[in-house]
Amino acid sequence: GAGVSQTPSNKVTEKGKYVELRCDPISGHTALYWYRQSLGQGPEFLIYFQGTGAADDSGLPNDRFFAVRPEGSVSTLKIQRTERGDSAVYLCASSQGANVLTFGAGSRLTVL
Amino acid sequence: RKEVEQDPGPFNVPEGATVAFNCTYSNSASQSFFWYRQDCRKEPKLLMSVYSSGNEDGRFTAQLNRASQYISLLIRDSKLSDSATYLCVVAKSGNEKLTFGTGTRLTIIP
Repeated sequence: GAGVSQTPSNKVTEKGKYVELRCDPISGHTALYWYRQSLGQGPEFLIYFQGTGAADDSGLPNDRFFAVRPEGSVSTLKIQRTERGDSAVYLCASSQGANVLTFGAGSRLTVL
Repeated sequence: RKEVEQDPGPFNVPEGATVAFNCTYSNSASQSFFWYRQDCRKEPKLLMSVYSSGNEDGRFTAQLNRASQYISLLIRDSKLSDSATYLCVVAKSGNEKLTFGTGTRLTIIP
């Protein structure tokens, strides 16, 4: 497609459940980023891929969070044992270089 | 100290006025600088990159002061459609994570 596609757009889950969020970047973009944004805050960096490998995962808050990009295109962010504090909008972005990011519309996660 | 700091506002400015925002960054090794715009409940979108010599795009002017480690955004002849949150963004080099500020909320009043 023409832009970055994220699914689901909204996800409501219960505390303790497992969640997967998917990102389909712009075709040909080698770099893919995950951020999360809470109300009233700027996007907070989670992880960045160059191709299939995680170039920087320093923003993942703890080992409940994991992300993959097995074929260098689609990426999945996985959250285990969700907590209420994980509620946020999870933003994916892709880039062809020079740090110019194109964001998807985000996946709004609510943990009850 | 946060890596990127912005005044969250809100700034309420009459239509046609000029408004300026500043942003400071803590890492002197930062190399790339940007302003992104985010409308309510939408994703951030690139507004403009910020170059060392300063740059202008229509009514928008961005400047970088490396010595004092701040960047600025000036909006002239503000329009109602300029109402948004403006995010200051900094990166250490061409292929590293971008760090976002909390954003400055701007509302243009008719």
